[in-house]
Amino acid sequence: KAGVTQTPRYLIKTRGQQVTLSCSPISGHRSVSWYQQTPGQGLQFLFEYFSETQRNKGNFPGRFSGRQFSNSRSEMNVSTLELGDSALYLCASSPHRNTEAFFGQGTRLTVV
Amino acid sequence: DQQVKQNSPSLSVQEGRISILNCDYTNSMFDYFLWYKKYPAEGPTFLISISSIKDKNEDGRFTVFLNKSAKHLSLHIVPSQPGDSAVYFCAVGGFGNEKLTFGTGTRLTIIP
Repeated sequence: KAGVTQTPRYLIKTRGQQVTLSCSPISGHRSVSWYQQTPGQGLQFLFEYFSETQRNKGNFPGRFSGRQFSNSRSEMNVSTLELGDSALYLCASSPHRNTEAFFGQGTRLTVV
Repeated sequence: DQQVKQNSPSLSVQEGRISILNCDYTNSMFDYFLWYKKYPAEGPTFLISISSIKDKNEDGRFTVFLNKSAKHLSLHIVPSQPGDSAVYFCAVGGFGNEKLTFGTGTRLTIIP
């Protein structure tokens, strides 16, 4: 069974631009969560989607948004990029809500 | 408001000895606890979990202990091996709040 796939793996963007990251969950998994990892901050929860609906949202500004499609694939969008948005963005999928999550390799976003 | 704390950012242990990683949480409503391991440039990998109805769960060299009264979680690795060198994150969740909240991580280095 294929794992969680995130694309692209690496991305360099300029301040002010917008970016879309993609996540394909493990087949059969319906819950997809997004996390931001920065040095010293651990994994900060962004949002969780289940059955195409956002079920939970972390403390991030409205520039961060996401969606989930009917095939459970999810996208995350960040608009008006800031230097502080440089981070590793991780997607995790679960078969149900509140079970152990399986992570993708992440997308390393660098804003210059 | 750091609900989950891993107070040791790093830990060095001799190969063959026991590694003990600690995690404290603040909300007694959390009732599902997990440990993840992360290598550089990879997503976190689920290691072991425990629910609040138990105080110990063992899987091979890994044992997780839960002290609910102290709101404290620990991971014991014995014997420690060089391949255990990684960053370890604890994560907590609750059946009323499905998102996982992660600690800031502890970098474990096993010295050969």
